[in-house]
Amino acid sequence: DGGITQSPKYLFRKEGQNVTLSCEQNLNHDAMYWYRQDPGQGLRLIYYSQIVNDFQKGDIAEGYSVSREKKESFPLTVTSAQKNPTAFYLCASSIDLRVLNTEAFFGQGTRLTVV
Amino acid sequence: EDQVTQSPEALRLQEGESSSLNCSYTVSGLRGLFWYRQDPGKGPEFLFTLYSAGEEKEKERLKATLTKKESFLHITAPKPEDSATYLCAVQRDQNFVFGPGTRLSVLP
Repeated sequence: DGGITQSPKYLFRKEGQNVTLSCEQNLNHDAMYWYRQDPGQGLRLIYYSQIVNDFQKGDIAEGYSVSREKKESFPLTVTSAQKNPTAFYLCASSIDLRVLNTEAFFGQGTRLTVV
Repeated sequence: EDQVTQSPEALRLQEGESSSLNCSYTVSGLRGLFWYRQDPGKGPEFLFTLYSAGEEKEKERLKATLTKKESFLHITAPKPEDSATYLCAVQRDQNFVFGPGTRLSVLP
């Protein structure tokens, strides 16, 4: 089955540590996205990538980093510089929006908690 | 600045009681408006895409409509399993802007 896989489902981080969230898709999509969701709030864009080896900052990129070395993978690193990392992180993918206006599909999310 | 707002913030309905959720947007040149359903602790599930004013899409008890400034998600004779948060989003250049969502509870 085609889809987006995020791992782990739950992640605990000590203060001062960097952690990496995994996102893999087998939908053959060019574009991938990372969003953050806080309780009672909508999704806020962290980073996005329309093509391999290229990515752009979203609205709340500070304290985060990404890489896009393969079409299928878009890992997100939450660095120690992120002041309030506890949140629900969602990865999504779509066809390249520069080519076609279309919807995005989401993974099941990773809940990150700072302990 | 591209923006999406949703109302109401929360809605409680009795089973069978039809209602509508609103999504208002400000974007220069709408390229697509999207509705998602999100269950607690899960990722959003895609429901509908609307591209132009006057367009309508239906799926089971849900119907989405679009005007030049807003979209409505109509829920006809809802069931308890329709309880979820419904998110609206618009395409902004090379990504998507989401509204805060409407949390729907359908009581048996």
